[in-house]
Amino acid sequence: EDKVVQSPLSLVVHEGDTVTLNCSYEVTNFRSLLWYKQEKKAPTFLFMLTSSGIEKKSGRLSSILDKKELFSILNITATQTGDSAVYLCAANPSNTGNQFYFGTGTSLTVIP
Amino acid sequence: GAGVSQTPSNKVTEKGKYVELRCDPISGHTALYWYRQSLGQGPEFLIYFQGTGAADDSGLPNDRFFAVRPEGSVSTLKIQRTERGDSAVYLCASSRDRGRVHFGPGTRLTVL
Repeated sequence: EDKVVQSPLSLVVHEGDTVTLNCSYEVTNFRSLLWYKQEKKAPTFLFMLTSSGIEKKSGRLSSILDKKELFSILNITATQTGDSAVYLCAANPSNTGNQFYFGTGTSLTVIP
Repeated sequence: GAGVSQTPSNKVTEKGKYVELRCDPISGHTALYWYRQSLGQGPEFLIYFQGTGAADDSGLPNDRFFAVRPEGSVSTLKIQRTERGDSAVYLCASSRDRGRVHFGPGTRLTVL
């Protein structure tokens, strides 16, 4: 059965800390892995990863994929209170169009 | 530009009633998806449209759920004989074929 597991389930840090969020997946015919940030409503896109070992970076956020060990990490450096959100990871199998399997998310709270 | 929009933003109904949830995708996006998200969970795939046709409806939980996209743009998710377990946030998303997926703000459905 295809599945995506995220850890930790929740995390509380202080502003300025660095956090690492984990996502492991078991997906048949894996094609890509995506990270989303979800605050109150719509998940907003962060990264799409298809190749192992290539870091994607956007400001204080970065992510990398390991297709051999079947996991990805999302790093946030110098965290700010605005980073507080649920971070969702989703894996896309190539044989089912664009169905994505989502993890349950990691709830990040950044305290001032 | 305009993102994915969904109406209504909130819907409260009674058990046994019929509801329709509407999704307006981003203009030009041929792919459209419906997901359902329960509290504390990641989005769960329901159905995927490519153009007017449902390319993958394997996520629809039972025959009370049905979705249409008659002109390849707006989509309606229809739920018959609603049950309390149908209460969730229903998310719509769209993309250009296999590109980045953009989510709408969701419709929060509450079945009393």
